[in-house]
Amino acid sequence: NAGVTQTPKFQVLKTGQSMTLQCAQDMNHEYMSWYRQDPGMGLRLIHYSVGAGITDQGEVPNGYNVSRSTTEDFPLRLLSAAPSQTSVYFCASSYHGTVYNEQFFGPGTRLTVL
Amino acid sequence: SQQGEEDPQALSIQEGENATMNCSYKTSINNLQWYRQNSGRGLVHLILIRSNEREKHSGRLRVTLDTSKKSSSLLITASRAADTASYFCATDPTGANSKLTFGKGITLSVRP
Repeated sequence: NAGVTQTPKFQVLKTGQSMTLQCAQDMNHEYMSWYRQDPGMGLRLIHYSVGAGITDQGEVPNGYNVSRSTTEDFPLRLLSAAPSQTSVYFCASSYHGTVYNEQFFGPGTRLTVL
Repeated sequence: SQQGEEDPQALSIQEGENATMNCSYKTSINNLQWYRQNSGRGLVHLILIRSNEREKHSGRLRVTLDTSKKSSSLLITASRAADTASYFCATDPTGANSKLTFGKGITLSVRP
């Protein structure tokens, strides 16, 4: 049981480049989400999904796209990278609902945009 | 905007002492959760307390919830150097469709 996995661990991009951050979970969780963590800002929700084929925006969605074609995978796409997107990105998953919705986090992707 | 606000922002204690961290929030919630983050790692869930619970224990952790004051506290007893980490409270607001809202975190340093 690998839990939540993220790739890559580190990435450097130039302004304007695009890339996809991968996230996968093997716990059959309905809910998956992407956060970014910046110094002094805590975690901010980018996009989330409550099941395959369903996605919605979080607090800071601009510049990012997501899709959820399977229960296991939830990739995050940066369309045209900007220096403001330099951050640490975390993917998380949980059961959907209000009873057992503690989130399991991946190890993070540290992204630098030059 | 962040619903959970932790205080203090930073806490430094001696090994063996107790650490108390507080979290306040603004709207009604289904539950409140505490997470720990070691440097350079992802967050790890510690404990969840539901809105109809007032206190919960897990090992050396004790969490209280006061919904009338919209506040929670996390107590770590007999702290160890290994407890050095950042701690976050996260609220599950009513009607938020499983979206947790995280605070900015508390940095705890436990001196050996």
